[in-house]
Amino acid sequence: DQQVKQNSPSLSVQEGRISILNCDYTNSMFDYFLWYKKYPAEGPTFLISISSIKDKNEDGRFTVFLNKSAKHLSLHIVPSQPGDSAVYFCAASPGSGNTGKLIFGQGTTLQVKP
Amino acid sequence: NAGVTQTPKFQVLKTGQSMTLQCAQDMNHEYMSWYRQDPGMGLRLIHYSVGAGITDQGEVPNGYNVSRSTTEDFPLRLLSAAPSQTSVYFCASRAQGGLTDTQYFGPGTRLTVL
Repeated sequence: DQQVKQNSPSLSVQEGRISILNCDYTNSMFDYFLWYKKYPAEGPTFLISISSIKDKNEDGRFTVFLNKSAKHLSLHIVPSQPGDSAVYFCAASPGSGNTGKLIFGQGTTLQVKP
Repeated sequence: NAGVTQTPKFQVLKTGQSMTLQCAQDMNHEYMSWYRQDPGMGLRLIHYSVGAGITDQGEVPNGYNVSRSTTEDFPLRLLSAAPSQTSVYFCASRAQGGLTDTQYFGPGTRLTVL
């Protein structure tokens, strides 16, 4: 059973516009959420995270929103750039054990068109 | 600082063969993990380790063995490869006590089992 779900396999946006990537989770014990970015033939790299005690975290062009009641988080990229084209994975940390265990979503492929 | 390194980058095996995927990190991280990435499934945790001599199972441990004799190395062993193990494998590491977001991934090993 998929505990972290990204229901949109792909997203295409125009350069300069906003990209919104969505993620849903089922386990209310998750206390930390992360977004990773992955280019082809490379490992995932950390992008931005949010603790369950917050509802928003911003880092430059990237903002993550968390709605705990809906068990939903989203990543906003504004403005989108062609270099943002990649696969984006949502991930959740199951509890505060801090062991490095992460549960990942299926990924969303973002294409930003010039 | 090489970060997390994985060898080989590519491997083709026949069903029933055994092999070891190597992972090493030079950041003195206590926590190391192995994930596999399959189309439409995201990254799934196979095994993880919270320190030398300590390992535990993740979501999909069947068919894989691990050991952690040193802090630096965390090899993943396939005892009898099966076509279902065709995947891209990522190793990751994180420092103890650090934030969950400081998890570093290797470049991956693409394994094909015929």
